[in-house]
Amino acid sequence: GAVVSQHPSWVICKSGTSVKIECRSLDFQATTMFWYRQFPKQSLMLMATSNEGSKATYEQGVEKDKFLINHASLTLSTLTVTSAHPEDSSFYICSARDLTRDRAIRGSTDTQYFGPGTRLTVL
Amino acid sequence: GQNIDQPTEMTATEGAIVQINCTYQTSGFNGLFWYQQHAGEAPTFLSYNVLDGLEEKGRFSSFLSRSKGYSYLLLKELQMKDSASYLCAVRGALDSWGKLQFGAGTQVVVTP
Repeated sequence: GAVVSQHPSWVICKSGTSVKIECRSLDFQATTMFWYRQFPKQSLMLMATSNEGSKATYEQGVEKDKFLINHASLTLSTLTVTSAHPEDSSFYICSARDLTRDRAIRGSTDTQYFGPGTRLTVL
Repeated sequence: GQNIDQPTEMTATEGAIVQINCTYQTSGFNGLFWYQQHAGEAPTFLSYNVLDGLEEKGRFSSFLSRSKGYSYLLLKELQMKDSASYLCAVRGALDSWGKLQFGAGTQVVVTP
């Protein structure tokens, strides 16, 4: 259980265009989803936290108007990179957790389950 | 400030043991996680510590000392497929979202 998918797995786009990345929890309801960005040989940097049905909370330094996050249902969150530029090229990873399940299970590790990532290249 | 430190790279031979250390300074502490990440792939969960002591899961063990802000991941009987980056992540102040802060990762290279 606890499978998270992302689509697309890779995308190449021209500078100035917008790109939408989907993150889906396949076998559980994700009350909370996280979006990370990872540059080569660097660690994951949290961009934002989204809870179903509410606005995303962005980390300091992340432009909310550039990285639009929508968590419209308990199984789907989307990240839209608007007016993408070459410096936005990165590996974008989502993760999800089921808070309700985690709190209900005694000894739960309360872990996050990661999607396979999306490689974005902006030309 | 918040800081999570781990070595950049470690090399070991197949069948050997490697210990990856992680030290952290975070505002609040609510658990420490270890993840394995192969190149170009997403991280996969390895272990979780919230209380002091050793947690063992097969070939992998993780240790935590909260008073020292220190953890290590022990990989035993190394296999070639264990070549990957190992990420230490700390969940900070108690909140309802479970945000994690990641270290930069330790690249483990297993040689024949």
